[in-house]
Amino acid sequence: DVKVTQSSRYLVKRTGEKVFLECVQDMDHENMFWYRQDPGLGLRLIYFSYDVKMKEKGDIPEGYSVSREKKERFSLILESASTNQTSMYLCASSFTGYEQYFGPGTRLTVT
Amino acid sequence: GEDVEQSLFLSVREGDSSVINCTYTDSSSTYLYWYKQEPGAGLQLLTYIFSNMDMKQDQRLTVLLNKKDKHLSLRIADTQTGDSAIYFCADTRGTASKLTFGTGTRLQVTL
Repeated sequence: DVKVTQSSRYLVKRTGEKVFLECVQDMDHENMFWYRQDPGLGLRLIYFSYDVKMKEKGDIPEGYSVSREKKERFSLILESASTNQTSMYLCASSFTGYEQYFGPGTRLTVT
Repeated sequence: GEDVEQSLFLSVREGDSSVINCTYTDSSSTYLYWYKQEPGAGLQLLTYIFSNMDMKQDQRLTVLLNKKDKHLSLRIADTQTGDSAIYFCADTRGTASKLTFGTGTRLQVTL
């Protein structure tokens, strides 16, 4: 069974803090993705990575950065958290050409 | 940009059929997917259809694809309370790795 895990289910941070969200997959997938999910907006792609140290911007990269130093791990970084980044963050991974597998999500609240 | 659209809410009685609709704009999509998100969980792949197919049936699920109208639907027969969830359609863009998700349809099943 494919497993995608995220470091926290719930996170509360203050405005201006640097926030790290971690994602780990155990299926040797080359592709990894970070989405945010907001009611009425569906899932929006923030960044994705198709190989170690490779990344591409998604639809809403502003205010975020990512890191992929190892194949199994993809980190999302909020350099200076703001209240409009309060959201559910979902990580996913896939082989190229195949479906994406999702982690359980991290609900981030920025106060 | 290219959008994937869904209605936000659907309510059905237990035992009835549910039909969830989706329209997409990118005619180059190779695969179209249906994902299910249960409360507090990540997304789980339900089924998919290749773009050269019109229909796919998988137990209680039937997917219909109308390429001319760029319309995708998911029919759930004999809907159960356990089917209550948010359902997302998604299409592939160019490379088969990136997905664009719809806004999600919340299915409520009443007794």
